[in-house]
Amino acid sequence: QKEVEQDPGPLSVPEGAIVSLNCTYSNSAFQYFMWYRQYSRKGPELLMYTYSSGNKEDGRFTAQVDKSSKYISLFIRDSQPSDSATYLCAMRGYGNKLVFGAGTILRVKS
Amino acid sequence: DTGVSQNPRHKITKRGQNVTFRCDPISEHNRLYWYRQTLGQGPEFLTYFQNEAQLEKSRLLSDRFSAERPKGSFSTLEIQRTEQGDSAMYLCASSMGQGNTGELFFGEGSRLTVL
Repeated sequence: QKEVEQDPGPLSVPEGAIVSLNCTYSNSAFQYFMWYRQYSRKGPELLMYTYSSGNKEDGRFTAQVDKSSKYISLFIRDSQPSDSATYLCAMRGYGNKLVFGAGTILRVKS
Repeated sequence: DTGVSQNPRHKITKRGQNVTFRCDPISEHNRLYWYRQTLGQGPEFLTYFQNEAQLEKSRLLSDRFSAERPKGSFSTLEIQRTEQGDSAMYLCASSMGQGNTGELFFGEGSRLTVL
């Protein structure tokens, strides 16, 4: 079993929809949780960062972490075609190694 | 600040040849990471440097792989006697040391195709 599980999709939604992306994990030592966005043939770029449990909002993006359930989510409101990309969850403990999920492909149709 | 720079962006080589990738991190970042990403998968950790010291290596990093970071600036990743299974995107990332929140900044990657 992988340390981080993420549904690969693809997830296809109409423009303006609310998108929910999720990851589950098994390592209770994870404390830092991140979401990266990756466009085709590009490197990942950091979208959201959260420490421990709780919510964080940044514009149209909201990240949630539920450590008791070992479950993290990223919500995208008013989705746009430019949001079409692969979304990677990533997490680590107090060390330096980030563990990534496999990524969810998101397609927002105009 | 031009971000993390990686070269070459794409390398096509024949099996058995050696290849070397270079990474120039963000100038004030003292931590540098190499990851490998295959199609449909997330990046997998390979190795990590703090300044010039290589502090951690993944079991994925076989003895054909070697990474260096002389003088704690740019880094090179060399793959000797390449195999078809080495075909992947090799990603470099850097981060600040003190007060590190885990925010890794990635380069565009170096794509390796082994024929």
